[in-house]
Amino acid sequence: ETGVTQTPRHLVMGMTNKKSLKCEQHLGHNAMYWYKQSAKKPLELMFVYSLEERVENNSVPSRFSPECPNSSHLFLHLHTLQPEDSALYLCASSQEQQGAYYGYTFGSGTRLTVV
Amino acid sequence: RKEVEQDPGPFNVPEGATVAFNCTYSNSASQSFFWYRQDCRKEPKLLMSVYSSGNEDGRFTAQLNRASQYISLLIRDSKLSDSATYLCVVNGPYSGAGSYQLTFGKGTKLSVIP
Repeated sequence: ETGVTQTPRHLVMGMTNKKSLKCEQHLGHNAMYWYKQSAKKPLELMFVYSLEERVENNSVPSRFSPECPNSSHLFLHLHTLQPEDSALYLCASSQEQQGAYYGYTFGSGTRLTVV
Repeated sequence: RKEVEQDPGPFNVPEGATVAFNCTYSNSASQSFFWYRQDCRKEPKLLMSVYSSGNEDGRFTAQLNRASQYISLLIRDSKLSDSATYLCVVNGPYSGAGSYQLTFGKGTKLSVIP
């Protein structure tokens, strides 16, 4: 496996379900991110983990709960979602070097539909 | 003012044409700039970084004007395979613990027509 892999690729869930999205990176990066992409909107940053510590939470509702057990794995736990949460959820990773920045590598995303 | 602003398009151009996209950003402290490409229903992929002196990668040329907070991407000799959405991306703000956010524009859609 190379790059950033996300599972599942597609997910349909009811509003009362609990599910988790998984992301794994094989690039040796030390920062990982969750983004949400809705139609006709720019990518919205949800969570940032740097060196396995959460450093950013852009006022995301508590029905989204991230977990980063180590520098290679990132989860997004979902519960009691709303239909407006339907979107493409993208995981990304990068190598942080005192602010120097080389761009992110994205996973292929999970397309989530809440019914 | 939006953080990263782009013309959404679509830009419909014939094969072989030259097309230019522009982008403005609001954070004057931004240090790094990128163009990403996103194909329909796929993830964004880094196309090229944008350097202060301007840079070229084959048919693609990127320019940066820090004074005007403006970035451009020029595509020469357009191919059908260039059809995609092009995202202007700017580094910042600082998130803490050595981590910077990337701020994405909404993207400009390009369709290259046979």
